[in-house]
Amino acid sequence: DVKVTQSSRYLVKRTGEKVFLECVQDMDHENMFWYRQDPGLGLRLIYFSYDVKMKEKGDIPEGYSVSREKKERFSLILESASTNQTSMYLCASGQGSSYEQYFGPGTRLTVT
Amino acid sequence: EDKVVQSPLSLVVHEGDTVTLNCSYEVTNFRSLLWYKQEKKAPTFLFMLTSSGIEKKSGRLSSILDKKELFSILNITATQTGDSAVYLCAVVNAGNNRKLIWGLGTSLAVNP
Repeated sequence: DVKVTQSSRYLVKRTGEKVFLECVQDMDHENMFWYRQDPGLGLRLIYFSYDVKMKEKGDIPEGYSVSREKKERFSLILESASTNQTSMYLCASGQGSSYEQYFGPGTRLTVT
Repeated sequence: EDKVVQSPLSLVVHEGDTVTLNCSYEVTNFRSLLWYKQEKKAPTFLFMLTSSGIEKKSGRLSSILDKKELFSILNITATQTGDSAVYLCAVVNAGNNRKLIWGLGTSLAVNP
């Protein structure tokens, strides 16, 4: 079974802090994605990556950056957290040219 | 602009009922449609549909795609309380770098 893990289930940070969300997958998948999920707005893509050291902006990249130094790990960085970044953050991975994505358990981030 | 619309937004049924969830789409260069189930955690993959008229089935769940009328339905027969979840539909635009376009989901509650 595909396993995608995220570093924290719940996280509380203060405005202005730098926040790191880590995602690790164990299935040697090429593709990795970061989403945020908010009521009434659904899943929105922040960044994605199809290869190590490669990244592409999704639909809402502002205020975020990512890092993919190893194939299995994809990190989301909030450079200076703001209250409007309070959300559920979901990481997903997928294999090569496949469209299926497999999700981690999510990190519920609260910025106060 | 590509869009995916799910209906109804929410649904309450009794155990044993049959439900039909709808997903309609407007996507240039359609490739595939995917269904996911999300309980109080990460979305889990259910089906991927690429060809019109071919039913995919898994236990009490089944789904079919109509590429002429641009929609898909997800049927759940003999519902159980464990079917309570948000059901998400996503569509692939083949010219869009394998990104998924997500609907907002249908929230299903199955009462005993």
